[in-house]
Amino acid sequence: KAGVTQTPRYLIKTRGQQVTLSCSPISGHRSVSWYQQTPGQGLQFLFEYFSETQRNKGNFPGRFSGRQFSNSRSEMNVSTLELGDSALYLCASSVDPGRPDTQYFGPGTRLTVL
Amino acid sequence: AQSVTQLDSHVSVSEGTPVLLRCNYSSSYSPSLFWYVQHPNKGLQLLLKYTSAATLVKGINGFEAEFKKSETSFHLTKPSAHMSDAAEYFCVVSDLGGSSNTGKLIFGQGTTLQVKP
Repeated sequence: KAGVTQTPRYLIKTRGQQVTLSCSPISGHRSVSWYQQTPGQGLQFLFEYFSETQRNKGNFPGRFSGRQFSNSRSEMNVSTLELGDSALYLCASSVDPGRPDTQYFGPGTRLTVL
Repeated sequence: AQSVTQLDSHVSVSEGTPVLLRCNYSSSYSPSLFWYVQHPNKGLQLLLKYTSAATLVKGINGFEAEFKKSETSFHLTKPSAHMSDAAEYFCVVSDLGGSSNTGKLIFGQGTTLQVKP
C-alpha cells in the first residue's frame, strides 16, 4: 500500500507570495492533518480535515488555510508569506479522526521563504 | 489539556549500550501515546504506540516503551544502540478523548539521540 505523498518536496518562495502544498493520503484513509515543524517551535498542529470539513484548527493566523477534496486529498495554502513561514510542512493521514493510532506521516514539504 | 514533556533534549550513548529516552505525559483521560523517529531530512516514522492495551509496547527496530500510569511516564528503551539509531525522537500524545474528539497529535520537543562508535 502506498504511503502518504506530499508535493512538492521542496519549494522556494519570496516574502509576500502565496504557496499551495498538496497531500495525498493512504488509500482508505479519510482524515488528513497538517503540521508545521520549525527548529524553534518544534512540531505544531495546523489543522485537521475529515469528509471535506475542517474539524480542528491550531493556533495559526488566517493566512494559513486548507481544504479537503472528495477523494480525501488535501491542500494547504499560505498567503502573504513571511520569513518565519520557512519550515517543514508535514501531512498525516488516518482512517478517521477517532483513530490516531492509524496516523502515518508523509515525507514533508520543505518551504523556504526568502 | 494534554501535554508531553521529554526530559532530555540530547542523549549520547555508545554503540552497543542501552538507550533510554524519557517522556512524561499529562492527560485528563486515558491517553494514546506514541513514539516517532525522524532521521535527518526525513519525515516522521512511527516507532510504537500505546492505546490502552498491554502496558509494555514493542515497536520496530528493537525499541519498546512501558506505559506507567502511576508515574505518568512512557519511556522509550532499546537494549543495544546501533549507529543507525541516531536521529530525533518525539514522544506524542493524542488529543482524542477531549471535547473535540479529534486525532490531533501533541508533540514533545524532541530528543536528539547521538550514537558514538
